[in-house]
Formats: sequence, C-alpha cells, structure tokens
Amino acid sequence: EVQLVESGGDLVQSGGSLRLSCAASGFRFSEYWMHWVRQAPGKGLVWVARINHHGNDATYADAVKGRFTISRDNAETTVYLQMDSLGAEDSAVYYCARGDHDIVTDYYYYGMDVWGQGTTVHVSS
Amino acid sequence: QSVLTQPPSVSGTPGQRVTISCSGSSSNIGNNYVYWYRQFPGRAPTVLMYRNNKRPSGVPDRFSGSKSGTSASLAISGLRSEDEADYYCATWHDSLTSPSWVFGGGTKLTVL
Repeated sequence: EVQLVESGGDLVQSGGSLRLSCAASGFRFSEYWMHWVRQAPGKGLVWVARINHHGNDATYADAVKGRFTISRDNAETTVYLQMDSLGAEDSAVYYCARGDHDIVTDYYYYGMDVWGQGTTVHVSS
Repeated sequence: QSVLTQPPSVSGTPGQRVTISCSGSSSNIGNNYVYWYRQFPGRAPTVLMYRNNKRPSGVPDRFSGSKSGTSASLAISGLRSEDEADYYCATWHDSLTSPSWVFGGGTKLTVL
C-alpha cells in the first residue's frame, strides 16, 4: 500500500525554525518527484515546494523562497522541509504529496497523486 | 487571489448532475494538465481526476473531467450525499520568473 506519513509539526515561536519529515512506503520512492502543500485553517490548498526524483532540482513558491528548503533521502525514502524564519502566515497543516509519474513512459507530470495525512505547524507571535 | 478561478460553492439535489468550473489562462490551464482533488472536512485531499480526464482506480465513473482552452470542468452525475466536500482544481503555472503549481480557491459542494 502506498503511504506517506508526515511528522515534525509543532508549536514554534515567530522567527524560529522547524523541520518536517515525510516517510514514504509502498512504492519506488527514488522514481517519484515529491511535493509539500499547506493549508491554513479554514483556507484553501497552497503549493509550497517540489523536488525531483534525484534530489538535485527544487522549485519553491514565492512566499517561501529563501526561507524553506526541500530535500530528500532516497535511501531513507523520506522527504524533508526545512522551514526557517517562520512567521504567523506559515501556520498551517502541511501535506506531503507524491508527484504523478507514468512508469510506462517514464514521463514526469507536475501533478500529485497520493497525499499524506498532514502535520500541523503553529507559529506564535 | 488564485490564478485559477472556481465558484466558491455549488449545490444540487440527490441524483442531479452538477459541474464545477475552473478558469485559468494560457500560462496555466491552456498549456498544462489539470488535476482535481476532493477534500472532506478534517481530512487530507485525495486525487479525483488526473491529467485532465483520467480517473484513479476507485473513483466511480459518475465523476468526469474535461478541459477546453483555458478552462476545465469537473462533472458529477447521480449526485449523492457523500459527494458533499470541497473540490479543488490545480495545474502548473508557467512563468519565466516564478513557475509554480497552483490550486483554485476551492468549491464547496452541498447536497441539498
């Protein structure tokens, strides 16, 4: 069974740092891009970052560029989100999601097909 | 303000057919695949439609997706009470300076 399990969410003070983890299982992790998406309370989904399957190419939303860093460990089948200089606007449930990859054609699509259950980050001011 | 525009809410009665629209531009929907996600209250989103009109296994054929030009739609026929949820469209937004994945603002479906 394909599974993504996030952890690391916590209450942190404004200006602080936090590292989220997402442990993957049930699929060949090293063959998939991975994403982080967040959702503030009562609000919609907002994409945060994406990393390719090798871990050597990442893209970020403008709101987090320069503050957040996505990385992965294919041996540990885990993707991370290092969050620095946190502000109240970063309070949200953070989901990791698997990228859409057609294993037959080996084509990588930008969409996501499997999501984790989320981990909650609360930044206090 | 999202670059993808969805109606905040739609409603229908059981058995009815409803559609949820998603309007974008040539920088996003016009040149990229559209995905649809469903989210029940307090739960994580799940993919409902991928690459415009493909249904993952387990999603009934009451759900269908389409795309035309810079707009996309999700249609739900034979509406059921358990379809009540939030629905999001999403796609890649091409930009020389800030390419990104973008979601619509979400549509709350109410089954009357």
